[in-house]
Amino acid sequence: RKEVEQDPGPFNVPEGATVAFNCTYSNSASQSFFWYRQDCRKEPKLLMSVYSSGNEDGRFTAQLNRASQYISLLIRDSKLSDSATYLCVVNPKTSYDKVIFGPGTSLSVIP
Amino acid sequence: EPEVTQTPSHQVTQMGQEVILRCVPISNHLYFYWYRQILGQKVEFLVSFYNNEISEKSEIFDDQFSVERPDGSNFTLKIRSTKLEDSAMYFCASTMRGASYGYTFGSGTRLTVV
Repeated sequence: RKEVEQDPGPFNVPEGATVAFNCTYSNSASQSFFWYRQDCRKEPKLLMSVYSSGNEDGRFTAQLNRASQYISLLIRDSKLSDSATYLCVVNPKTSYDKVIFGPGTSLSVIP
Repeated sequence: EPEVTQTPSHQVTQMGQEVILRCVPISNHLYFYWYRQILGQKVEFLVSFYNNEISEKSEIFDDQFSVERPDGSNFTLKIRSTKLEDSAMYFCASTMRGASYGYTFGSGTRLTVV
């Protein structure tokens, strides 16, 4: 099983739609979780950390289910500017000083 | 907003040549990293650096790779003898308190080995 897996996509959604991304991780001892976004040929940018109780930042909501080793990201009221690749990122407890990136899920928001 | 700066943005080199990729992390950050991304693939960890020494490295980071923080501001990645498969985007990242707190990435150096 791969360390971090994501829906491959691509997701093509109309403006204003709600879209959800899923991610699973293999190491049950993993301790920190993040969502990054990456625009084409650009660097990853931290979107939000994911906390055990779930957290929200404007139109973005992240959830963590440690029992199922599952992370999600929900985007409400999609904007054209949300078009990007969304990367699920995990800090495995076996290593404190690196993170593992998932392969990413591509999102295109269509007018 | 503080930035991680990488130079050059694009480097073309011949196979077998040495390259040095440069990074200036955010000034009050203490942890530094190199990641790479081969076109169309996921971002992969290369090496982490803290307190002037390597704290962790991946299998990719073999004897051909080295890192250095020569002057307290720059953080460099050297590839001694480049191979075609080293062609990738190389990202530098830094963070104040370690990998548990999210990274700031530089805009990357696209390395093309011909």
